[in-house]
Amino acid sequence: GESVGLHLPTLSVQEGDNSIINCAYSNSASDYFIWYKQESGKGPQFIIDIRSNMDKRQGQRVTVLLNKTVKHLSLQIAATQPGDSAVYFCAVSTGGGNKLTFGTGTQLKVEL
Amino acid sequence: DSGVTQTPKHLITATGQRVTLRCSPRSGDLSVYWYQQSLDQGLQFLIQYYNGEERAKGNILERFSAQQFPDLHSELNLSSLELGDSALYFCASSVGGGSSNQPQHFGDGTRLSIL
Repeated sequence: GESVGLHLPTLSVQEGDNSIINCAYSNSASDYFIWYKQESGKGPQFIIDIRSNMDKRQGQRVTVLLNKTVKHLSLQIAATQPGDSAVYFCAVSTGGGNKLTFGTGTQLKVEL
Repeated sequence: DSGVTQTPKHLITATGQRVTLRCSPRSGDLSVYWYQQSLDQGLQFLIQYYNGEERAKGNILERFSAQQFPDLHSELNLSSLELGDSALYFCASSVGGGSSNQPQHFGDGTRLSIL
């Protein structure tokens, strides 16, 4: 089966700094990767995804990097804002997008 | 707003009872997924339906069942409830059935509390 782990349960950053949240997965056959943001009392909100044929993808203020050699995924948030405070999950899928395996989540705290 | 609607938002019941959670997917989405989120287990995939048919199964207990109706809304039925079933239950939807990778969009969940 697949296991997904995050390197840090909590990350504190200053407003305006860049944030990097890391994720490791176990199955080398995993081919689809997603980052979600979950605010208190809400469901996971889709941020960005990347397929295994890519190693980098950029969105608005966010970048996802995929290193298939070491089975590592990271989410970079530029110019972190107070509204970015939330729990961030990576999720991984193997052989089609049916079943997502989620990591344990990193709580991002933005200090003013 | 993800466009996925879940009702009710909160549910309080007793052990041994049965409850039904409801999900309406985003307009145009054919797949519905159910997840359970608890403090000790994190987010766990339960089951997926695509256009009315069961497509994939995860760690779903035999006491739990789901279905997707012709109008594409879905219901998750939980029976013989135990204290350990207390959790957040999320529904997600996506356009396709999973043959090509697509993001799943989540509702805001139903918080189930078993007393």
